[in-house]
Amino acid sequence: AQSVTQPDIHITVSEGASLELRCNYSYGATPYLFWYVQSPGQGLQLLLKYFSGDTLVQGIKGFEAEFKRSQSSFNLRKPSVHWSDAAEYFCAVGAGSNDYKLSFGAGTTVTVRA
Amino acid sequence: NAGVTQTPKFQVLKTGQSMTLQCAQDMNHNSMYWYRQDPGMGLRLIYYSASEGTTDKGEVPNGYNVSRLNKREFSLRLESAAPSQTSVYFCASSDGEDQPQHFGDGTRLSIL
Repeated sequence: AQSVTQPDIHITVSEGASLELRCNYSYGATPYLFWYVQSPGQGLQLLLKYFSGDTLVQGIKGFEAEFKRSQSSFNLRKPSVHWSDAAEYFCAVGAGSNDYKLSFGAGTTVTVRA
Repeated sequence: NAGVTQTPKFQVLKTGQSMTLQCAQDMNHNSMYWYRQDPGMGLRLIYYSASEGTTDKGEVPNGYNVSRLNKREFSLRLESAAPSQTSVYFCASSDGEDQPQHFGDGTRLSIL
């Protein structure tokens, strides 16, 4: 079964600074990878996804993520953070191939300071 | 554009009471899911329905039952609520196992 680790529970970043959130997965084959964002009291919104092809994927709100098979990682980045990016971020992995289960990381909470 | 709609948004129950959480999606998705979210644990899959007429257990199914009423609706039932089931419950839908899941806004459930 697949699993996901988000090593950072909480990150504080200054507005305008760059942000990188780490995600490591465990799965034998090439997984389906997702990043979701959750604002307080809200559901999860998809930021971006990786299924195959180009290992650098672009998402909404200026986010991008890079799939690195050799490191089993799918880190999320944003060059310049805005105060509205304060939220909780979840990495998720799916196996596909008739396996409908997504495994989520525990999440990283991002605080943006002025 | 409602997407995934969950009702109720908040609920307080006493131990031993029963409760059904409702979920409906208007995106014509085949697959639907129920998760629970607890602090520091991310989301854990309770049950899912790959297509209308099928349901399967996820990671934490004990104490829950589900019904896929039709293609649009997927309900989650707690037959005898326990304090350990205090959580935020999310319903999601997708167009297949390799497609992104779309989430509702959640039901915040407290069991006293």
